[in-house]
Amino acid sequence: NAGVTQTPKFQVLKTGQSMTLQCAQDMNHNSMYWYRQDPGMGLRLIYYSASEGTTDKGEVPNGYNVSRLNKREFSLRLESAAPSQTSVYFCASSEGVGDISSGNTIYFGEGSWLTVV
Amino acid sequence: RKEVEQDPGPFNVPEGATVAFNCTYSNSASQSFFWYRQDCRKEPKLLMSVYSSGNEDGRFTAQLNRASQYISLLIRDSKLSDSATYLCVGISGGYNKLIFGAGTRLAVHP
Repeated sequence: NAGVTQTPKFQVLKTGQSMTLQCAQDMNHNSMYWYRQDPGMGLRLIYYSASEGTTDKGEVPNGYNVSRLNKREFSLRLESAAPSQTSVYFCASSEGVGDISSGNTIYFGEGSWLTVV
Repeated sequence: RKEVEQDPGPFNVPEGATVAFNCTYSNSASQSFFWYRQDCRKEPKLLMSVYSSGNEDGRFTAQLNRASQYISLLIRDSKLSDSATYLCVGISGGYNKLIFGAGTRLAVHP
């Protein structure tokens, strides 16, 4: 009963380094998301993928790229990490194509703690 | 003004107390609303959806007041296990775009 799985859970990067956060879901969900959570800010959407083969920018996409590798997997890449990207990153998925308000719950992974020094 | 605003707390209450959180929202986050619970260093999990008519789930009651643009969460008979951060969430007009409040922290003590 894995749900949404993210790796790595913890990572320390030096400024300018690159890395990829991996995310996989086993619920056959169509939609997947990447959020970041900062103190006092709430979760903010970085990128989302409505369905396999599509990706779109969210609220804070600068400095990130994503790949929807297949229906299960959605990765987030930091090409040149900056201290401002120190945050907790959550991957999430939802079942329906288009309507969380109809009751399709969004499920989150356990989070990835990233520190950029 | 943030699209969804919450009092960050913390709310420190004794076991058995009734506690209420309010959340205000702007027009852009006004399609549907939810309350999520987030434990320390854990992921958010859906607590309940918020309907215009209000809804209740055991000790938890959620209300939506569109005229005043606020959502409330009432917890009765607080338990130690209710200690967590409660996130108020709205949906923007964009595709499944959840707008999260920064959260209200609740600490229930013996």
